[in-house]
Formats: sequence, structure tokens, C-alpha cells
Amino acid sequence: AQSVTQLDSQVPVFEEAPVELRCNYSSSVSVYLFWYVQYPNQGLQLLLKYLSGSTLVKGINGFEAEFNKSQTSFHLRKPSVHISDTAEYFCAVSEVASGTYKYIFGTGTRLKVLA
Amino acid sequence: NAGVMQNPRHLVRRRGQEARLRCSPMKGHSHVYWYRQLPEEGLKFMVYLQKENIIDESGMPKERFSAEFPKEGPSILRIQQVVRGDSAAYFCASSPPARWETQYFGPGTRLLVL
Repeated sequence: AQSVTQLDSQVPVFEEAPVELRCNYSSSVSVYLFWYVQYPNQGLQLLLKYLSGSTLVKGINGFEAEFNKSQTSFHLRKPSVHISDTAEYFCAVSEVASGTYKYIFGTGTRLKVLA
Repeated sequence: NAGVMQNPRHLVRRRGQEARLRCSPMKGHSHVYWYRQLPEEGLKFMVYLQKENIIDESGMPKERFSAEFPKEGPSILRIQQVVRGDSAAYFCASSPPARWETQYFGPGTRLLVL
């Protein structure tokens, strides 16, 4: 069965430091992969997505992620974080040929950027 | 170009009442999804609808919950006889027919059951 694991529930990091948020998934078929950001009391905003092609995907706000099929991972990275990046980050997968296109979400990683 | 609209943004109900949540997808989008986010948890899929059809309701609780997406008007998620455990944020997402793989989320409705 499909599942998504975000091992780090909280990640504190100092401003201007690099950050990596980890996401691993389990699926027996091809998947699409997504990262969304959620600011307090708001909806989810798409950061980036992997559908096919280059395994290094660049998104908004300076974020990027790399799809690693052999390790079934899709880790999110940013070389230098800002205070405004403080938010909750969700990784999601969708099976390519599922027919329903529903997302399976991880439990989220709360990024706290410290001054 | 308005995004996905949800209303109300906040809803307070007493146990036993009905909650009705509305979602207007982005213009041109014909696929609607509902997700529930319990406190301190990720989002869980509930139901996937196209106009006048329920495609996948595998995530819907078997009782008290229903959803529709009529030919005209918004999608409605209806919860009858609410209980405290229904307190959560309910998010709607939509996607266009040609680019179904990417979902755009609304701001959510935060339901509090007293």
C-alpha cells in the first residue's frame, strides 16, 4: 500500500543556514511527488512537483527537491533559509495510474527558522 | 483569477447538529477533492468528485458524511449529527481536466464541535 514518511516532525534551523526536509515513500507503482507548504491557519501552497524527466526539481521561494527512485525519496532542500520560511511542509504522492489521482500525505515537518 | 474558494472559513457546531461545507473550484476545474486534517496530523483523503459523479469515496467515514458536486454550484461536504471527533480542518482541492495530477488547495474550513 502507498505510504509517505516524513521522519522529522520538527526541524529548527538558524536563518541563512541550509535545510533539508526528508520524505520517503512506499509504492509498488510509478508515482508523482509533491511538496506543499502550509502557513498557520492557511491552506496548502504548492512548492514543487516531480512528474517525470529531470530528477532535480526547482520550485518557488528557492526550494528544490531531488527524486531518488532507488531510495524512494524526495527530499526538499534550501541552501539558505529565511525567517519567512517558518511553516509546515507536507510531502505527498499520487499513483500515476491510479485513476483517482488522490494524494497520500506525510504527517508534515514543522520548520522553525531562528534568528 | 480566483483560487479555490471555501466557505465558511470557520464553523462552530454543537454535537448533533449538521455541518455543511462549501467549495468552489478554480474556474475551468472539473475535479474536486476533499481532505481532512485532524489536529497535529497530515491531510487524509476523503472523497474525489467530478461534476455530478462521485469517483472515489474510499476515505469517507461510512456514516454521517456525504459529498456532492452538482452540475451547477459548489461542491458540498455534509456532516450530519456532528461529534467532537469531527473537529478538524477540511480542505478542498481542485484540478483541471487536462492537468489532473496537480491539485490546488483552498484555505480550508475549520470546524469546531462543542
